[in-house]
Amino acid sequence: ETGVTQSPTHLIKTRGQQVTLRCSSQSGHNTVSWYQQALGQGPQFIFQYYREEENGRGNFPPRFSGLQFPNYSSELNVNALELDDSALYLCASSQDSVYGYTFGSGTRLTVV
Amino acid sequence: DAKTTQPPSMDCAEGRAANLPCNHSTISGNEYVYWYRQIHSQGPQYIIHGLKNNETNEMASLIITEDRKSSTLILPHATLRDTAVYYCIVRVGSNDYKLSFGAGTTVTVRA
Repeated sequence: ETGVTQSPTHLIKTRGQQVTLRCSSQSGHNTVSWYQQALGQGPQFIFQYYREEENGRGNFPPRFSGLQFPNYSSELNVNALELDDSALYLCASSQDSVYGYTFGSGTRLTVV
Repeated sequence: DAKTTQPPSMDCAEGRAANLPCNHSTISGNEYVYWYRQIHSQGPQYIIHGLKNNETNEMASLIITEDRKSSTLILPHATLRDTAVYYCIVRVGSNDYKLSFGAGTTVTVRA
């Protein structure tokens, strides 16, 4: 079975720009979550999608938005980028969230 | 809003057992204990989870105290590839959608 794949692996953007990060869930997984991990810190939950509907959100402003598609792949969009948005963005998928989530290797976003 | 306390770091000799403690004194009756680890430059990896009983899988063992206020993750024969940050997380099962990561324990396995 394939794992969770994220693209791109690295990205550099300018403050004020918009960015879209992509995630392909593990086969058979219908739930996808996004996390932000600043350097030296643990991942912080952004939001989760279950069958194309957002069913949970962390303490992130509305300029962080997402989508989940019928094939359960997902996008994270961030508008009006700020320097503090520089981080590793992780996608995780699950078939049944009682069990473990499978994480991708992340997208390293640098805002300059 | 992490609900767990872990030591910031610990060292372990290769081939020996590594015992990683975690305190979760405010755990509720319906909350599970999960362990993940994150090897440098990779996403977190699920290790094991449990509710009340001790659990074992091919990666590790999880020992939960009878009062469920603390637990220990045991890596039976640590290897250099086990060097990582280990996170202990408590959450309700399928109704609690997020994983609340704290700072974790940085485990360094030394040859």
